[in-house]
Amino acid sequence: TQTVSQSDAHVTVFEGDSVELRCNYSYGGSIYLSWYIQHHGRGLQFLLKYYSGNPVVQGVNGFEAEFSKSDSSFHLRKASVHWSDSAVYFCAVRRTGGYKVVFGSGTRLLVSP
Amino acid sequence: GGIITQTPKFLIGQEGQKLTLKCQQNFNHDTMYWYRQDSGKGLRLIYYSITENDLQKGDLSEGYDASREKKSSFSLTVTSAQKNEMAVFLCASSIVRGGSQNTLYFGAGTRLSVL
Repeated sequence: TQTVSQSDAHVTVFEGDSVELRCNYSYGGSIYLSWYIQHHGRGLQFLLKYYSGNPVVQGVNGFEAEFSKSDSSFHLRKASVHWSDSAVYFCAVRRTGGYKVVFGSGTRLLVSP
Repeated sequence: GGIITQTPKFLIGQEGQKLTLKCQQNFNHDTMYWYRQDSGKGLRLIYYSITENDLQKGDLSEGYDASREKKSSFSLTVTSAQKNEMAVFLCASSIVRGGSQNTLYFGAGTRLSVL
């Protein structure tokens, strides 16, 4: 069974700050890892994903994530946040060859002006 | 580009009522999903469908039925609404192969309230 843990329910930063949202997974096999963003009242939108190769993947709007097999982590980062980045961020995992996608509990990011 | 349309946007039901939520996608995607999102919580998988006429139970399938009679549509039925239940139901779709494999595309959700 694959599980995804997002340890921070809420993160608050100021505009222009850097931010890291943490994601840890539990699964021994080959997996896809993804991050999604959900603005208030909307569905989720894809940000980026990792399967293999360079452990640092770039996504939209300046987001990047780094995969670490040793730490079982896939943390999301942004160097300089904007107020419009305020949203809930979800980490997700899918076993290679499978169809079931498991999501973490989400991290609510609030960017203060 | 494509779109996922969920209807209705808001659904108010009575305790014990059978309620049906609909989802349509024009991506021509093979796989479709239904997730439940409770306030302040993550997404829990209710049902998914790998292709037309296929149904697979997720972690939260008890109390729900699903139907995938066409590739483009996936409906979810709450078999007996629970009093004071409030949640958002999210539909998503994905292709099986290709560059966008593993990317889920979501609808805007159906917000359920049970009186």
